[in-house]
Amino acid sequence: DVKVTQSSRYLVKRTGEKVFLECVQDMDHENMFWYRQDPGLGLRLIYFSYDVKMKEKGDIPEGYSVSREKKERFSLILESASTNQTSMYLCASSSLDRVYYGYTFGSGTRLTVV
Amino acid sequence: DAKTTQPPSMDCAEGRAANLPCNHSTISGNEYVYWYRQIHSQGPQYIIHGLKNNETNEMASLIITEDRKSSTLILPHATLRDTAVYYCIVRGLYNTDKLIFGTGTRLQVFP
Repeated sequence: DVKVTQSSRYLVKRTGEKVFLECVQDMDHENMFWYRQDPGLGLRLIYFSYDVKMKEKGDIPEGYSVSREKKERFSLILESASTNQTSMYLCASSSLDRVYYGYTFGSGTRLTVV
Repeated sequence: DAKTTQPPSMDCAEGRAANLPCNHSTISGNEYVYWYRQIHSQGPQYIIHGLKNNETNEMASLIITEDRKSSTLILPHATLRDTAVYYCIVRGLYNTDKLIFGTGTRLQVFP
């Protein structure tokens, strides 16, 4: 079964820490995405990548950066975590060739910044 | 901003058909209608997509009106496991077109 795997289900970090959220997909997908989900706001796109070493800002990139050194791995980095970054983070991937067939999402990482 | 409008919540009896409506009056000719659902504490799951013809797969049917300004997702025999938030999304054909989620419809299937 194809998968998008997020390294942690739950994380608790302190304000000011540098936080890495890891996402790995085994489908050889070109595209990868990071969203955050908050009550009442739905899913919002943070960053996305169409290829290795490429990245594009989404709707809410402030306070975040990303890294894509290998095709299968897309990392979201919180340079200095703040309490307003407490959220559910979702990674997704999609195929360039089969863009019609939608995104595959991971199960999410619930991050709490204290 | 999301380009679709959905009711915030709906109920459905187990075994009955669940019909989830979506309005997308500003849809353009090269945009598809996608449906995803999100079961509690999981990531969204792709259900179905369509352009202008009705579509059916093992999970659901999608009915798109002739003017393409609205659509309905049909779960023919809802089960308790279909309780989820359902998102209707309009998206273009190009790889660079983003998937933008609205707030969806919370479907509650009851016994």
